[in-house]
Amino acid sequence: SQTIHQWPATLVQPVGSPLSLECTVEGTSNPNLYWYRQAAGRGLQLLFYSVGIGQISSEVPQNLSASRPQDRQFILSSKKLLLSDSGFYLCAWSQGRRETQYFGPGTRLLVL
Amino acid sequence: SQQGEEDPQALSIQEGENATMNCSYKTSINNLQWYRQNSGRGLVHLILIRSNEREKHSGRLRVTLDTSKKSSSLLITASRAADTASYFCATDAVGNEKLTFGTGTRLTIIP
Repeated sequence: SQTIHQWPATLVQPVGSPLSLECTVEGTSNPNLYWYRQAAGRGLQLLFYSVGIGQISSEVPQNLSASRPQDRQFILSSKKLLLSDSGFYLCAWSQGRRETQYFGPGTRLLVL
Repeated sequence: SQQGEEDPQALSIQEGENATMNCSYKTSINNLQWYRQNSGRGLVHLILIRSNEREKHSGRLRVTLDTSKKSSSLLITASRAADTASYFCATDAVGNEKLTFGTGTRLTIIP
């Protein structure tokens, strides 16, 4: 069966510090991968998606970047965090662009 | 603006009652999906309904889709305390090729 992992679960970082969140998927190959951000009590905002290694599409201009160095690994990064980067970050995968998405447990990021 | 918007934003009902949540969207879709999110957790897929389907069932869940009104509803029958969560609809709009999530309905089941 397929599983998706995200770490860390919680992160508190100072403004201006770098960020690296990792997401890995097991039990499937060539998945579509997604990074979402969810503000408190709000819906999901799609940040990045990837249909293959090295292929990244950015949905909104921001302080963040994403990379996919391996088929089942998706990384969300920032060189310098802003206060507005605080939120709940969710990684998800799907087999096709229109199909069911399977979410990881999320990373809660607090930038102080 | 959001492609899918849920209504109501929040709903509180007594355990055992039925809960109905609605989702409206703006453009033609390929499919519509419903997800559940427990507080502080990831989303869990509930049901996918395609544009040529009108109704789907899964256990105590019933989803309807009215493409003429661009709306969908999620009915949870015989609610339980464990159904307390936020529920999101997500639409796969024609020509967009990615899911767009609504802002969710926060459902509270009172024991």
